[in-house]
Amino acid sequence: GDSVTQMEGPVTLSEEAFLTINCTYTATGYPSLFWYVQYPGEGLQLLLKATKADDKGSNKGFEATYRKETTSFHLEKGSVQVSDSAVYFCALSELSGANNLFFGTGTRLTVIP
Amino acid sequence: DSGVTQTPKHLITATGQRVTLRCSPRSGDLSVYWYQQSLDQGLQFLIQYYNGEERAKGNILERFSAQQFPDLHSELNLSSLELGDSALYFCASSVEGTGNTQYFGPGTRLTVL
Repeated sequence: GDSVTQMEGPVTLSEEAFLTINCTYTATGYPSLFWYVQYPGEGLQLLLKATKADDKGSNKGFEATYRKETTSFHLEKGSVQVSDSAVYFCALSELSGANNLFFGTGTRLTVIP
Repeated sequence: DSGVTQTPKHLITATGQRVTLRCSPRSGDLSVYWYQQSLDQGLQFLIQYYNGEERAKGNILERFSAQQFPDLHSELNLSSLELGDSALYFCASSVEGTGNTQYFGPGTRLTVL
């Protein structure tokens, strides 16, 4: 079945450090891939997405590239800010059949000044 | 603001009781999804409705049910509540042709005492 494996957290970085959060997936078809972010006490916000192989999703300085050969969708940001502190979820959705989201376990990021 | 609304924001009730959670999707979105977020299970898909019809079921307990009304809002009914049902319940909506991009509401936090 479909699944998402995310890098275990928590991750603590200093402001302006480089961020990578690893995400790999298993899917039966050709899924769309997503990163969602959950700030403390809030709901899930869509951060970025990619719907086919080699697509790069980007938003607010975050990027992730859909790599079919390595079944990965790693999240990166060149210079993190304190305001990026949140929990990040990688997710996939198949384009045929049931198209619910399958989520990873989430990675908590704390950025210290 | 995703455009998806959920009420109530918080709900505190006792074991054995029944509650109803309400969700209004983004304008124009025909699909509504319900997810449960708990510390031990993470984010899990419960059920999907599309234009009033049930489309997919996930790990939804028999004590739980949902429906989508002609105006496209949806309700999730939880009955015979147990302590383990305490969780955040999210609703999401999507429109066809966007690679299953789902937008989430702020969630309802259910506490069963």
